[in-house]
Amino acid sequence: EPEVTQTPSHQVTQMGQEVILRCVPISNHLYFYWYRQILGQKVEFLVSFYNNEISEKSEIFDDQFSVERPDGSNFTLKIRSTKLEDSAMYFCASRDQTRGRVYGYTFGSGTRLTVV
Amino acid sequence: DQQVKQNSPSLSVQEGRISILNCDYTNSMFDYFLWYKKYPAEGPTFLISISSIKDKNEDGRFTVFLNKSAKHLSLHIVPSQPGDSAVYFCAADQTGANNLFFGTGTRLTVIP
Repeated sequence: EPEVTQTPSHQVTQMGQEVILRCVPISNHLYFYWYRQILGQKVEFLVSFYNNEISEKSEIFDDQFSVERPDGSNFTLKIRSTKLEDSAMYFCASRDQTRGRVYGYTFGSGTRLTVV
Repeated sequence: DQQVKQNSPSLSVQEGRISILNCDYTNSMFDYFLWYKKYPAEGPTFLISISSIKDKNEDGRFTVFLNKSAKHLSLHIVPSQPGDSAVYFCAADQTGANNLFFGTGTRLTVIP
């Protein structure tokens, strides 16, 4: 079964530092997503990416956030200047559009970001 | 703005009994609903879904019921097994929206 791979599994960073969370989506998927879950809260949509550009983003995804697909395999989420409230589990997902809009999501195991 | 709500953060049931996980939503434009299961240190995995044109979908031990007038859905697991112990997320999809709306999750513990 193909997997979405996320690295690192846990990252601790100081407030104000930049972090890059990395994801390797499933190779034949074309849609990519970042979601996050703050402890005890719902899983929240951050951004979707298709055809090398952002297709949709939430109000959480402000100027501190950016996404990139630098080399055709990795999909990264950058937070430029981390805040304490950015501490969360970040999930990457990719979607197999041939299976329809709901069946095709595959999530990675997440990166736990802790900002201190 | 919490459009999908799971009001029970946790649920414990005995092995062999029925588990019922509940989910409420506010957006009447949602037209597809999904349940995801999440084990520790893993990402959410798709479990079962239901279209808004149906009121029931069954897959083995798992059945999802949808009550559109009440904007409520539930996941029934019967019989429950210890391996079902996980966090269950309800999610909703809307035509034209390229993302899923999740609830906060319910932690199910099945006691052997």
